[in-house]
Amino acid sequence: AQKITQTQPGMFVQEKEAVTLDCTYDTSDPSYGLFWYKQPSSGEMIFLIYQGSYDQQNATEGRYSLNFQKARKSANLVISASQLGDSAMYFCAMREFGARFGAGTRLTVKP
Amino acid sequence: GAGVSQTPSNKVTEKGKYVELRCDPISGHTALYWYRQSLGQGPEFLIYFQGTGAADDSGLPNDRFFAVRPEGSVSTLKIQRTERGDSAVYLCASSLTGAQGTGELFFGEGSRLTVL
Repeated sequence: AQKITQTQPGMFVQEKEAVTLDCTYDTSDPSYGLFWYKQPSSGEMIFLIYQGSYDQQNATEGRYSLNFQKARKSANLVISASQLGDSAMYFCAMREFGARFGAGTRLTVKP
Repeated sequence: GAGVSQTPSNKVTEKGKYVELRCDPISGHTALYWYRQSLGQGPEFLIYFQGTGAADDSGLPNDRFFAVRPEGSVSTLKIQRTERGDSAVYLCASSLTGAQGTGELFFGEGSRLTVL
């Protein structure tokens, strides 16, 4: 069965600094996809970034990048130049068949 | 529609009652997912449809929960004999492709279920 682990219940970062949110996963399938979603207090789920298991390069989307280490089964999200609006819950997810999510990390950006 | 639509947005029911939650995915999306999310927790996977069939229903917590997608578009999540522990936000998502496809999951706004 798929398993996604986010070990940081909460993280704080100073505005304009970079922050890394950790995610590890467990699967025996060589083909899978990894996602990160942001959920602000309003409750909507906002797609941030995707990494395929066969992708050679780490995915990047604007200020978001995914540090994909396949052998270690980790897919950490890096947010550069944090903004106050980045304060939210962040979820890592893996899709083989049904996509499963981790428990999330609550990020707080301090001014 | 332009996005994933879920109805009702709010449902209050009494313990023991039957509840149906509806999800209307983005047109053309073959994959549909149901999740349950409690406050402060991650979305808990319930079931995944590819077309009309349930490709993975291993997340359904017990036999009180059932979901259908008879024509490969709209899906209904059905909860029998509701319990107070079923109170949560039920999220539906759809994507253009399933399995290892790169298509992101598009989420609806959720149906908040409260069981008194």
